[in-house]
Amino acid sequence: EVQLVESGGGLVKPGRSLRLSCTTSGFTFGDYGMSWFRQAPGKGLEWVGFIRSRPYGGTTDYAASVKDRFTISRDDSKSIAYLQMNSLKTEDTAVYYCTKYISWPNWFDPWGQGTLVTVSS
Amino acid sequence: SYELTQPLSVSVALGQTARITCGGDNIGSKNVHWYQQKPGQAPVLVIYRDSNRPSGIPERFSGSNSGNTATLTISRAQAGDEADYYCQVWDSSTSVVFGGGTKLTVL
Repeated sequence: EVQLVESGGGLVKPGRSLRLSCTTSGFTFGDYGMSWFRQAPGKGLEWVGFIRSRPYGGTTDYAASVKDRFTISRDDSKSIAYLQMNSLKTEDTAVYYCTKYISWPNWFDPWGQGTLVTVSS
Repeated sequence: SYELTQPLSVSVALGQTARITCGGDNIGSKNVHWYQQKPGQAPVLVIYRDSNRPSGIPERFSGSNSGNTATLTISRAQAGDEADYYCQVWDSSTSVVFGGGTKLTVL
């Protein structure tokens, strides 16, 4: 069974940093790209960024709202993806989800249960 | 950047057919994926590549895509289908876009 479990969320002050982890099992992690999404309270889904699988270059892309502040990385030996969030703003408050995909323009499935990040002073 | 437009809400009588639209410029040329999200839960893929159902998704869920509109159709709607539904495409190989989401109410 494919599983993705996010961790690392919590309460953080504006301007500080936080690192989320997405621990996976049940599939060949290195064959898949990994993506992060978020959902602010009462709002819709927003793409944050992704990291391609090694066969597709292992490169990253980000939404404009987080570019230059957030960094996605992966450890294929541990089957874990990371989301490093720096210079956090109150508008980054959201539930953060990780999910996998094979390549563009394909779908994202399944999704983890999400982890809540609250940015507040 | 590419934009997707969904109605904020759709209502359907129990047992009837619900149609949720997703509008975008020449969206028919893109692959559209649909996700269902129930309150407090993570999104679940219900349709991929316009009209394909993942295993475990009932045949009552179907999709189509042509011109400037993609449509998610839910036949014989059940109370358990009440959820938010999101359409998703890739704007390019470097960007992912969602519609704003549609709240489905089963009356």
